[in-house]
Amino acid sequence: GAGVSQSPSNKVTEKGKDVELRCDPISGHTALYWYRQSLGQGLEFLIYFQGNSAPDKSGLPSDRFSAERTGGSVSTLTIQRTQQEDSAVYLCASSRGGATQYFGPGTRLTVL
Amino acid sequence: AQSVTQPDIHITVSEGASLELRCNYSYGATPYLFWYVQSPGQGLQLLLKYFSGDTLVQGIKGFEAEFKRSQSSFNLRKPSVHWSDAAEYFCAGPYNTDKLIFGTGTRLQVFP
Repeated sequence: GAGVSQSPSNKVTEKGKDVELRCDPISGHTALYWYRQSLGQGLEFLIYFQGNSAPDKSGLPSDRFSAERTGGSVSTLTIQRTQQEDSAVYLCASSRGGATQYFGPGTRLTVL
Repeated sequence: AQSVTQPDIHITVSEGASLELRCNYSYGATPYLFWYVQSPGQGLQLLLKYFSGDTLVQGIKGFEAEFKRSQSSFNLRKPSVHWSDAAEYFCAGPYNTDKLIFGTGTRLQVFP
């Protein structure tokens, strides 16, 4: 498709389990972002990839969170040993390296 | 400090009425600014953006926004609201060059 896609759309997991969330950016977009949107909260920046540069991890809330981007395209956000406070919608966005970001539909993560 | 503020958490309007959603920014120089809309269970959709030039910006779905330097504002407007406009609206501006910072959002409710 032409837009940013994310999978799964919903994920329910048990506390302590690891989860992987996937993002497929728009073809040709060099920049990729991950955000977290908790209930009643705004959008919280997590991590940013730009081309082959080292990612900007300044928004990751703890070392349980990590992300990688393979081949400059698909990205996976991994949360280890999930906690209930990790429950949120995780949004991915991509851009051509300019300012305008285009968002995917998000993954709703529920940690029981 | 770089910031974007949406003073209204929740706004209710009647269908057919005009709408104005407020966004205030705090930047040293003229920023680029965005409005995004998020329907329930969806990702963020770009409504419009301002980079420079004409301070009145037209967007999709009949929305427009006006950049006012003197008031540090970038308010979103629509002359006649439709029930399908019920959603959450986010204003965003630049943060540390390549990232965006978002306002906390304004939830729009439309009554028939």
